[in-house]
Amino acid sequence: AQSVTQPDIHITVSEGASLELRCNYSYGATPYLFWYVQSPGQGLQLLLKYFSGDTLVQGIKGFEAEFKRSQSSFNLRKPSVHWSDAAEYFCAVLIQGAQKLVFGQGTRLTINP
Amino acid sequence: DTGVSQDPRHKITKRGQNVTFRCDPISEHNRLYWYRQTLGQGPEFLTYFQNEAQLEKSRLLSDRFSAERPKGSFSTLEIQRTEQGDSAMYLCASSLGFGNTIYFGEGSWLTVV
Repeated sequence: AQSVTQPDIHITVSEGASLELRCNYSYGATPYLFWYVQSPGQGLQLLLKYFSGDTLVQGIKGFEAEFKRSQSSFNLRKPSVHWSDAAEYFCAVLIQGAQKLVFGQGTRLTINP
Repeated sequence: DTGVSQDPRHKITKRGQNVTFRCDPISEHNRLYWYRQTLGQGPEFLTYFQNEAQLEKSRLLSDRFSAERPKGSFSTLEIQRTEQGDSAMYLCASSLGFGNTIYFGEGSWLTVV
């Protein structure tokens, strides 16, 4: 069955430090992968997506993610976090036949000043 | 582009009452999705429309739930005889065909007391 795993439920980093959020997927076909960010009580905002081509994709707010087919991973990175990056981050895979996104359970990011 | 709009943003209802949520997708987006998100979890797919046709329904969508998109524009999600387990945020999303970005609304919070 298709699934997305985000191993880290909660991560705390200091402002200015680098960040990596992990995402592993299970999907038989070529994956279409997404990272969304959600602030408390709000909807989801797309950070970036991977459909094909260059495996390193750039997104908004200085985020990037790298698709590694051999590891079934799509980790999100940012070289220097800002206090405003504190939020919940969701990785998702698009199931092509069913036309639906399958989300991981999310990683909550806390920023220490 | 005014974004995906959802109404109401918050609803408190007594168990057994019916509730209806409305979603206005981004203009000209032919695909519309409903997701449900409970605290600490990622969004879960409920159903999806292409224009006015409902093409996919999750097993999560019990017979107490019904969604419509009568003219291929706005959509409604009705929950009949609400139960406490229905308490969640209901997210609407839209996209312009497969492979394009799926944009989410701010969500409608439902609390069943």
